[in-house]
Amino acid sequence: AQSVAQPEDQVNVAEGNPLTVKCTYSVSGNPYLFWYVQYPNRGLQFLLKYITGDNLVKGSYGFEAEFNKSQTSFHLKKPSALVSDSALYFCAVRDWTGGFKTIFGAGTRLFVKA
Amino acid sequence: GAVVSQHPSRVICKSGTSVKIECRSLDFQATTMFWYRQFPKQSLMLMATSNEGSKATYEQGVEKDKFLINHASLTLSTLTVTSAHPEDSSFYICSALTDLTSYEQYFGPGTRLTVT
Repeated sequence: AQSVAQPEDQVNVAEGNPLTVKCTYSVSGNPYLFWYVQYPNRGLQFLLKYITGDNLVKGSYGFEAEFNKSQTSFHLKKPSALVSDSALYFCAVRDWTGGFKTIFGAGTRLFVKA
Repeated sequence: GAVVSQHPSRVICKSGTSVKIECRSLDFQATTMFWYRQFPKQSLMLMATSNEGSKATYEQGVEKDKFLINHASLTLSTLTVTSAHPEDSSFYICSALTDLTSYEQYFGPGTRLTVT
């Protein structure tokens, strides 16, 4: 079965510093990987996806993610964090078995301190 | 990008009553819509998948008779929580796909349900 793990409940980083939010996955077949961000009392906003191609994927708001097949990881990164990046981040994998389904990680709360 | 709306954004209802939540795709036709439930500080739990014109497919453990889903058109799906109880209080999020080959899901802003 497909699964996604986000090992950190919370990540704290100072504004201007680089940030990394970790994600590892387990899939059968080629992975379809996604990152979403959620602000308080809001739905999810799409940040970026990896389907195929370059291992470094660039997305919205200056975020990028690196697909590493050997380590089965898809970590989210940003070179310089902003206070406004503080939110809840979800990694997700698309599960095609038995129909369309998206499996979400538990989420990582990012706090960016000014 | 594609926009999905939900109405209402917040609702408070009394125990035993029913409440309907609407999910609309505003600028595209959604062949498939999903309903998720999110508990505080937790991830999204898929409740059901609905395809236009057919019965919804519910995930294991989700009560079909309690959470009625209707996908009457390509732009509208509704979730009705029947005979609501305080334990049904949660954040409900819908999501839409244009088709099953699409890579992206578009999410609504969510509906906060509080049952008193």
